[in-house]
Amino acid sequence: KAGVTQTPRYLIKTRGQQVTLSCSPISGHRSVSWYQQTPGQGLQFLFEYFSETQRNKGNFPGRFSGRQFSNSRSEMNVSTLELGDSALYLCASSLAATQETQYFGPGTRLLVL
Amino acid sequence: QQQVKQSPQSLIVQKGGISIINCAYENTAFDYFPWYQQFPGKGPALLIAIRPDVSEKKEGRFTISFNKSAKQFSLHIMDSQPGDSATYFCAASKYSGYALNFGKGTSLLVTP
Repeated sequence: KAGVTQTPRYLIKTRGQQVTLSCSPISGHRSVSWYQQTPGQGLQFLFEYFSETQRNKGNFPGRFSGRQFSNSRSEMNVSTLELGDSALYLCASSLAATQETQYFGPGTRLLVL
Repeated sequence: QQQVKQSPQSLIVQKGGISIINCAYENTAFDYFPWYQQFPGKGPALLIAIRPDVSEKKEGRFTISFNKSAKQFSLHIMDSQPGDSATYFCAASKYSGYALNFGKGTSLLVTP
């Protein structure tokens, strides 16, 4: 079974731009979570989607948003990019509502100049 | 606010030695405690996880010890190998929440 895939793997943007990152979960997985990883703050939860509905949201500004499609694929969007948004953005998928194990993708490395 | 505190930040262990990483949490609603291993350029991979109804769980060379009253849990890596050199993250979540709260990570180096 293929793992979680994320595209693109690397991205360079400038301040003020917006960016969309994509995540394809493991086949059959319905829950997708997004995390931001930085050297200073570590891994921080952004939001989680299950069956196209956002179930949980972390403590990030409204510039960070996401959505999930009927095939469980998910996208996250960051608008009005700031230098501090430079990070590794990780997507994780899990099987169903009662499954805690989250399987992570390789991440998208975003650099904001 | 960091909900899970992890120590040490870095650790150097000789091959064959025991690596010990500690974590502490405050939120008593947490009831799922996984450990993740991350190699450079890769996403974190689940190593082992524990629920608070048991005090210890062992899988191969990896053991989680859990102390509910102290709100602490730790990862022990027995017979550490150079291939274990990676960053290790502890985490905690509520069963129904799925938001993993991660520690800041421990960079482990196992020397030959």
